[in-house]
This record gives sequence, C-alpha cells and structure tokens, in this order.
Amino acid sequence: DIVMTQTPLSLSVTPGQPASISCKSSQSLLHSDGKTYLYWYLQKPGQSPQLLIYEVSNRFSGVPDRFSGSGSGTDFTLKISRVEAEDVGVYYCMQSIQLPLYTFGQGTKLEIK
Amino acid sequence: EVQLVESGGGLIQPGGSLRLSCAASGFTVSSNYMSWVRQAPGKGLEWVSVIYSGGSTYYADSVKGRFTISRDNSKNTLYLQMNSLRAEDTAVYYCARDPGTGTAFDYWGQGTLVTVSS
Repeated sequence: DIVMTQTPLSLSVTPGQPASISCKSSQSLLHSDGKTYLYWYLQKPGQSPQLLIYEVSNRFSGVPDRFSGSGSGTDFTLKISRVEAEDVGVYYCMQSIQLPLYTFGQGTKLEIK
Repeated sequence: EVQLVESGGGLIQPGGSLRLSCAASGFTVSSNYMSWVRQAPGKGLEWVSVIYSGGSTYYADSVKGRFTISRDNSKNTLYLQMNSLRAEDTAVYYCARDPGTGTAFDYWGQGTLVTVSS
C-alpha cells in the first residue's frame, strides 16, 4: 500500500505570510494515463473536509488563488501565498492512483500566530 | 446543488450492528464512485469503503468482512451496514463522492458519529 507522509505536522503562520506543506508518497502517483492522482483537502474546525486541489495543481471550484499545488512523482507541495485567518484547520494530502484504495496523509495543522 | 446528508450514527455496544445512510441530492449516486471515510476522535482521515458506478465494492482491511456498502438507486441513497462493531470503529463517518473525472472526493456530507462502547 502507498504511504503518504506530510511535513510538518503543524505550523503557525502570521497572517499575510506564506505557508508551505510537503507531502511525499512511497510510490509514484503518475498513472499510465499521464495524470498524477494527488489531492489536497482542508478540514476547518468543526467542519467536513473540503477539496482544495486535484491532480496536483488544479484548484477546485471556488478555491482562492492564494492556494497552489505543485510537484511530481512522489514529492508534492501545497503553498498558501498569503495566509488568512480563514485558512486555519488541518490540511490532508491524498492519493487515488492505487484504487480502490484511497490513502490520506497524517494531516498538517495550520494555526495563526 | 450537490448535497450529502448522513444519518444513523449513535452509541452501540461492542459486537453490535448499525446501518448508516447517506442521502444524496443534486446528482445521481449510481453514476459516481461513492465512499465512506471515517475520522476517529482527534485523528486523521481513513478511507473505509467504496462502491463503484458498476456496483463493485471494496473495503479497507480494517473493516473487511464486517462492513457492507450498498446503495438504493430509487432513493438515491448510500448505506454502510456495520456489524461486529469494535471500540476502534468509534469515529465520525463521512460519505464522499468521487465523480471519477479527476476531482476525487469533491463533495462530503456533514458526518455522523458512531460510538462503540459498553
């Protein structure tokens, strides 16, 4: 099974400053169809997870452009260009190349300083 | 508007059974991959089970043989039958949609809490 490892597990960011979260997979997430099945979700306090980024770098509908995703193969990054108070919560990466098994990272908790 | 509404959670004794429901609106359950994902208190997300549009079903090893995923196309509703429940099954259970077009888990329900305790 593919293991997803996120770093850091927590970070505290001053509003207006950037933030970056790393996600590494134990196997390449590049499929033979040319797509890379890596996703990012945000779970705000007391809420369900919400999709931010799909297939490495595509922002889901309604996601602000301060969120961006990058990476390839086994190394991926979620960046927030300027953190806002509403961005607090736990961020998860997830892979779906190994269907039917979906695997999440451990989560990274973002707090505001 | 796409909506997923879970129900059926509650307090159940170890060894007991429970059936969760996820009522969908704004799309057709049978045309999507539908999953259950759970979150133990204070922990991360764990995929539990999926039913494909063609009807194939799959389970995480932790629930295989005890949980059964199904759907009722006439009611546009997803189910999770949970048997032989254990304390470690205590979690909030979410249903989530994967349209199979690249935006995996694009919509989630609000979750329903299952507590397994004597």
